[in-house]
Amino acid sequence: DTGVSQNPRHKITKRGQNVTFRCDPISEHNRLYWYRQTLGQGPEFLTYFQNEAQLEKSRLLSDRFSAERPKGSFSTLEIQRTEQGDSAMYLCASRGGTSTDTQYFGPGTRLTVL
Amino acid sequence: AQSVTQLDSQVPVFEEAPVELRCNYSSSVSVYLFWYVQYPNQGLQLLLKYLSGSTLVKGINGFEAEFNKSQTSFHLRKPSVHISDTAEYFCAVIPIKAAGNKLTFGGGTRVLVKP
Repeated sequence: DTGVSQNPRHKITKRGQNVTFRCDPISEHNRLYWYRQTLGQGPEFLTYFQNEAQLEKSRLLSDRFSAERPKGSFSTLEIQRTEQGDSAMYLCASRGGTSTDTQYFGPGTRLTVL
Repeated sequence: AQSVTQLDSQVPVFEEAPVELRCNYSSSVSVYLFWYVQYPNQGLQLLLKYLSGSTLVKGINGFEAEFNKSQTSFHLRKPSVHISDTAEYFCAVIPIKAAGNKLTFGGGTRVLVKP
């Protein structure tokens, strides 16, 4: 069990550019979550996958955001035409198939949009 | 919908003193409750969780929390803190019967342990 990994750990980009983040969950976990955490706030839910199916999306996930989990393993989160308001920590979590299972978090990707 | 309120945004405390972090939640359905800790530049780590049974839950690093259904609270305590407990602490809930089981977090409490 190597834990949840996220890449890159830090990303600095200019407004208007596209960025993509990757999350590798714990291998046997079929559920994967993306959260966003702005400075001084708690994480907020963005979207959720069960295997390769994206089952729920938050209203926070505007049409500039897209997430995929093509083979039910790793996931990517892409932000198109980044805005300064997108600056945040993007956290990925995974868990097993039982509702009482713990969500394990990765270290996050910190995005700074200049 | 659920909401979580952490009443203290910052708690300064001296080393070896006790600490209590307050958490209240609002939900129209039954929930599971969690406390996570976030050390600087790291992801969230689970401290403890309440699913059912005894309302006093013990977690890692000497932390414990008590679920109070009538007051909709889940306060976190540690009898004697260490410098290494300096971190941000998040209370969170999940609706028991929600398919997605997404976590709803409070705003966090930053604990600063002073020597």
